Amino acid sequence: QLQLQESGPGLVKSSETLSLTCTVSGGSISSTNYYWAWIRQPPGMGLEYVGSMYYSGSTYCSPSLQSRVTMSVDTSKNQFSLKLTSVTAADTAVYYCARLQGSSYFFDHWGQGALVTVSS
Amino acid sequence: QSALTQPASVSGSPGQSITISCTGTNSDVGSYNLVSWYQQHPGKAPKVMIYEGRKRPSGVSNRFSGSKSGNTASLTISGLQAEDEADYYCCSYAGNNTWVFGGGTKLTVL
Repeated sequence: QLQLQESGPGLVKSSETLSLTCTVSGGSISSTNYYWAWIRQPPGMGLEYVGSMYYSGSTYCSPSLQSRVTMSVDTSKNQFSLKLTSVTAADTAVYYCARLQGSSYFFDHWGQGALVTVSS
Repeated sequence: QSALTQPASVSGSPGQSITISCTGTNSDVGSYNLVSWYQQHPGKAPKVMIYEGRKRPSGVSNRFSGSKSGNTASLTISGLQAEDEADYYCCSYAGNNTWVFGGGTKLTVL
C-alpha cells in the first residue's frame, strides 16, 4: 500500500523560505510512469497545482509560482522536496504531496497534508 | 491559467442524481481527454473518483460517472447517499506539464 507523508515546519515567517519533504513508503519513487507532485489548498479554498517532478530530476512548475519554487528528489531516501521562497500570507495553505500517473495524468495517491502558516 | 469553473454548491435528496459541471477553455478541458474528479471530505485529503474524463479507479462506486462535451466536463452521482456529501473538484491537464483545478463544489445531501 503506497503511502505519502509530508513533513516540515508548520510556521514560516513572511519573506522567508517554506521547505517541505514528502516521504514515500510502500513503493519506489524511482518507478517509471509516475511523477511526484505538490498541490496546495489555502484554508477554506480550492486546490492549486504547485509543481511536479520525475525521479530523474526533471521538474515542472505552475507558471504563477515558478519564479519562487525549487523541487528536488532524493531517490536514496525515497523522498522529494519543495522549497518556496519569499513567502507571504497568501502562501498559507495545506500542502499535499501526491503521486501523478504519467500516462493518465491524474493524482492517484495523496499524503494527508501539512498545514503551513506564514506569519508576519 | 485560470481555475476551471464549477458551481459553488449543489444539493440532492438520497436516491436522486446530481450533476456537477466543470467549464474550462480550449487550452485545457477542450484540448485533452484528461479530466479527473476528486472527492474531499472535511479535513481529509482528496480522493480520485474519475480519471480520463469517464474512467473509474478500482474501488470507486459505479454510481459515479463522468462525461465531457466541448470545454465542459461533468460528474454525475446517481443514487445519492449520505456519505457522498463532500466537496468535489475537477482537474484538467493544461499542457506543458501543468494542471488546473476547479474552484470546488460543495455537495449537500438533504
